[in-house]
Amino acid sequence: AQKVTQAQTEISVVEKEDVTLDCVYETRDTTYYLFWYKQPPSGELVFLIRRNSFDEQNEISGRYSWNFQKSTSSFNFTITASQVVDSAVYFCALSEVGSGGSNYKLTFGKGTLLTVNP
Amino acid sequence: GAVVSQHPSRVICKSGTSVKIECRSLDFQATTMFWYRQFPKQSLMLMATSNEGSKATYEQGVEKDKFLINHASLTLSTLTVTSAHPEDSSFYICSASRAGGHNEQFFGPGTRLTVL
Repeated sequence: AQKVTQAQTEISVVEKEDVTLDCVYETRDTTYYLFWYKQPPSGELVFLIRRNSFDEQNEISGRYSWNFQKSTSSFNFTITASQVVDSAVYFCALSEVGSGGSNYKLTFGKGTLLTVNP
Repeated sequence: GAVVSQHPSRVICKSGTSVKIECRSLDFQATTMFWYRQFPKQSLMLMATSNEGSKATYEQGVEKDKFLINHASLTLSTLTVTSAHPEDSSFYICSASRAGGHNEQFFGPGTRLTVL
């Protein structure tokens, strides 16, 4: 069975600090996808990134960056120069590809509540 | 593109009544739709997966007679919470994926259900 662990329940930082959110996953499949979502207080999930298991390149998008390490089964997310608007719950999720390449269900971590204080 | 809507966004009902929540893919055909439930300060838990024209597949521990799911068309799935009780109060989120969508799910904005 697949599993996603976000060990940090809550993180509090001061604006402009860098912060890294950890994500460790477990799966028996060799083909899978990893995701990060942001959930602000409004509740709507905001898609941040999707990465397939064959692409270990790190990715940077503005102040966001992701570090995918298959050797440690981790997919960590770093926000550089954090801002108050980054305050939200962040979820890491794992999806295994179903038979025939069909869409398959997501398993979410428990989420990390990030609070960025002015 | 890939917008998913949910209606209503918020509903308050009395214990014992049934509530229907709609999930629509607005600009694509959703071959598969998923229903999640999220209790306060907790993660999203998958309730069921539905494919258009077939019966939904429920996750272990989810009562299919209580949470009725209908995926009647490629753009609409409904979740009906039958005989709702206060413990059913939660945030219900749907997502939709399309054929050949490379495992990507597009999420609706969620429906907050409060049962009095």
